[in-house]
This record gives sequence, C-alpha cells and structure tokens, in this order.
Amino acid sequence: EVVLTQSPGALSLSPGERATLSCRASQSIGSSYLAWYQHKPGQPLRLLFHGASSRATGIPDRFSGSGSGTDFTLTIGRLEPEDFAVYYCQQYGNSPITFGQGTRLEIK
Amino acid sequence: QVPLQESSPGLVKPSETLSLTCTVSGVSISYYNWGWIRQPPGKGLEWIGYIYNSGAINYSPSLKSRVSMSLDTSKKQFSLKLTSVTAADTAVYYCAGATGPYNYDTSGILSSFDYWGQGVLVTVSS
Repeated sequence: EVVLTQSPGALSLSPGERATLSCRASQSIGSSYLAWYQHKPGQPLRLLFHGASSRATGIPDRFSGSGSGTDFTLTIGRLEPEDFAVYYCQQYGNSPITFGQGTRLEIK
Repeated sequence: QVPLQESSPGLVKPSETLSLTCTVSGVSISYYNWGWIRQPPGKGLEWIGYIYNSGAINYSPSLKSRVSMSLDTSKKQFSLKLTSVTAADTAVYYCAGATGPYNYDTSGILSSFDYWGQGVLVTVSS
C-alpha cells in the first residue's frame, strides 16, 4: 500500500505567517489523486483539496495545493486564527486508500 | 454541507460484532457514494471501505474478512458491521460521503470524501 509521510509533525506559527505542509508518498500517485483535509476538535473533517490542487467548495484562496508524483504541498498564505488545526493528506490513486499521520498546526 | 450522523453502541465486548449506522440528511442517499474511516486513539486515519450508491462494495484488504456494509435508501442510512472485534478495533469511527471526481481503480471506485460525520468513539472492552 502507499505510505504517506507528512512533515513536519507539528508546526508552530503566528497569525499572518505562511504555512507550508508536506506530504510525501512511498510511490507515485497517478493523476494526482491526492486530497487534503483540515480537522478541528469536535468537528467533522473538512475537505480542502482533491486532485492535489482543486480547491473544494467554500475553501478560501489563501489555501493552495500543489505537487505531483510523490511530493505534494499544502500552503496557507496568511494564517488566520481559524486555520490552526490538524491537516491530513489522503491518496486515492491506489487501493487501499491511505492517509498521512497528520500535521498539527499550532499557534505560536 | 451534508450532515452525516453516526450512531453506535459505544461499548462492544471482545469477539462480538460492532454495528454502526450513518444517517444522511439533506441529499438523496442514492446520489453519492459512502465510506467508513476509523482512527484508533493516538494513531492515524484508516480507510475501512466504500459502499456505492449502486449497493456495490469495496473493502480494505486488511479488514475485508470481518467487514460488511449495507445501504438502506428508504431510511437514508448506510451501515457498517465488523465481526470478531478486539481491543485493536477501539477507535473513533467516521462515516463520510463522496461526490467525485472518482478514480476508477481495478478494486473499485476510489475518491476523496467531501462530507464527514463528527465521528463516534467505539470502545472494545469486557
């Protein structure tokens, strides 16, 4: 199965700063079948991107997704207080579907 | 948003069957495809399987021998059963909905998940 490794495991930043989160796959993910999610405690996971860079409905444009093959990036241009959460990547290019272990984005 | 609500017993005894139901609001259950994902305490997310709006299923190989899923369109619900549970099956279980676009893999349709329930903790303990 495809193993997704997210880095860093935790990231401490201040509002207004830029966040760069990485997701690396153990093998190439065809056609960029990669998704990103945001998860806040007590809330459902929120889809941010599918297809590596296609923004889901209602996602602000300070969020951007990029990458292909084995290396993917989620960038948050200027952090807002509501952006501090856990972020997961997920691949659906190969069965079984797998998820990264998550990056915790914390307020500095 | 498509509200999804999981219901579960909360506590299941070892060797018994875990049963979960997800109720869908706001859309026709026949329109989307549906999945189950779980997260053991302190661990990552694990995909359990899909049930498609056609009723076809696609289970994770690691759980395939113990999992079954079903769809009840009249009740707007889909369900998960996991047999012969052990402490390793203790987790927060999420139901989720997928609207596409899809990857038509040899195993079945794969996708991201647009909508998620809040998750329910199921503990396996005697």
